Amino acid sequence: AQSVTQLGSHVSVSEGALVLLRCNYSSSVPPYLFWYVQYPNQGLQLLLKYTTGATLVKGINGFEAEFKKSETSFHLTKPSAHMSDAAEYFCAVSDPNTNAGKSTFGDGTTLTVKP
Amino acid sequence: DAGVTQSPTHLIKTRGQQVTLRCSPISGHKSVSWYQQVLGQGPQFIFQYYEKEERGRGNFPDRFSARQFPNYSSELNVNALLLGDSALYLCASSLAVANSPLHFGNGTRLTVT
Repeated sequence: AQSVTQLGSHVSVSEGALVLLRCNYSSSVPPYLFWYVQYPNQGLQLLLKYTTGATLVKGINGFEAEFKKSETSFHLTKPSAHMSDAAEYFCAVSDPNTNAGKSTFGDGTTLTVKP
Repeated sequence: DAGVTQSPTHLIKTRGQQVTLRCSPISGHKSVSWYQQVLGQGPQFIFQYYEKEERGRGNFPDRFSARQFPNYSSELNVNALLLGDSALYLCASSLAVANSPLHFGNGTRLTVT
């Protein structure tokens, strides 16, 4: 079984400040990990993914995440927040032995960006 | 290319009624998954279909059923609606490879009164 815990249901930062959204996972097998973003009244869009290889992965809109196996973490960061980053962010895990169709999601973190 | 399309966008039903939600995947995607997103929570896996066969089922009652058609589009059916079924229902398509991410539609907002 797999699970995802996102620490902090709400995060507020000032425009230009560092964004850090936390994600810890539990998995009995080496997982595939994903970050998605959801804007109001829309579906989820992929920000970035980790499958194998380099543990620091870069995504769209300046976001990146680092897979740390020893800490079972996959935290999302962005050096400088922009007003357009305000949205809800979801971390997800899937089993490489199946496919991402059956992913397990965290409960999300709402990011607010203050001017 | 068109993304994942879902219809209808909004739906209001009464307790005990039945509802059918529809989804068209991205061209070339043969895997379709359904998720339920209750307000304040992350998406919960309901079903996955690939090549018209059910490939996975989440922890949902038998009132929930789905199918996939030869053109890979899919329908989600929910019978005997309960108030607790009120949610955003998301359809996602993907390539049938393990590292392929999900591509989501904008969802169907179901309200049960």
